Amino acid sequence: QMQLQESGPGLVKPSQTLSLTCTVSGGSISSAGYYWSWIRQQAGKGLEWIGYIYYSGSTYYNPSLQSRVSISVDTSKHQFSLKLISVTAADSAIYFCASVKMVSWSHDHWGQGTLVTVSS
Amino acid sequence: QSALTQPASVSGSPGQSITISCIGTDGDVGAYNYVSWYQQHPGKAPKLIIFDVNDRPSGVSYRFSGSKSGNTASLTISGLQAEDEADYYCNSYTSGSTLSVFGTGTKVTVL
Repeated sequence: QMQLQESGPGLVKPSQTLSLTCTVSGGSISSAGYYWSWIRQQAGKGLEWIGYIYYSGSTYYNPSLQSRVSISVDTSKHQFSLKLISVTAADSAIYFCASVKMVSWSHDHWGQGTLVTVSS
Repeated sequence: QSALTQPASVSGSPGQSITISCIGTDGDVGAYNYVSWYQQHPGKAPKLIIFDVNDRPSGVSYRFSGSKSGNTASLTISGLQAEDEADYYCNSYTSGSTLSVFGTGTKVTVL
């Protein structure tokens, strides 16, 4: 059973960079059948898709965040990472990582989520 | 890319059936059969309950079913149970450089 686990600082100062890592176990991050995804959820709000990465490094981003976001992958560590620059309080949210099964484009496994607060 | 439109809330009594709509466009729901649905209980991660419009992952109750007509997808919960009280989100593959869009979310209340 595939498992994903987010890690990273829970507190980031305004204007700084939010950095999170997702570690994949029980499955291969180099699988040809999967993309890897970041999603966030602001308090009391809905799910917002941030972006996808393929093991080869190909990325797709939400246009609303594209100028500030980058996602990378490290297959040797079974990890993919999120960086969001110039953060504001509006970027405070629970950040989830998930696997995306390409045959159905469904997010089939999710991490438990990690709360990131942007505050000085 | 705008979020798919869902009703903010739907309620029903135990044993009843309820349906949640998910309205998209010709570029997402209307164009592809890659519609999925997620259940999220408070404080938990979302869980995939429907993929490819109407397929269920192993272990998901048969009481959950999906359908699609034109630009609108729907999730039906039959035989409503207390444990079904949660938030539900649809998601669709979409054309262009974005690839993914979630719905606005629906809170299901079991009366």
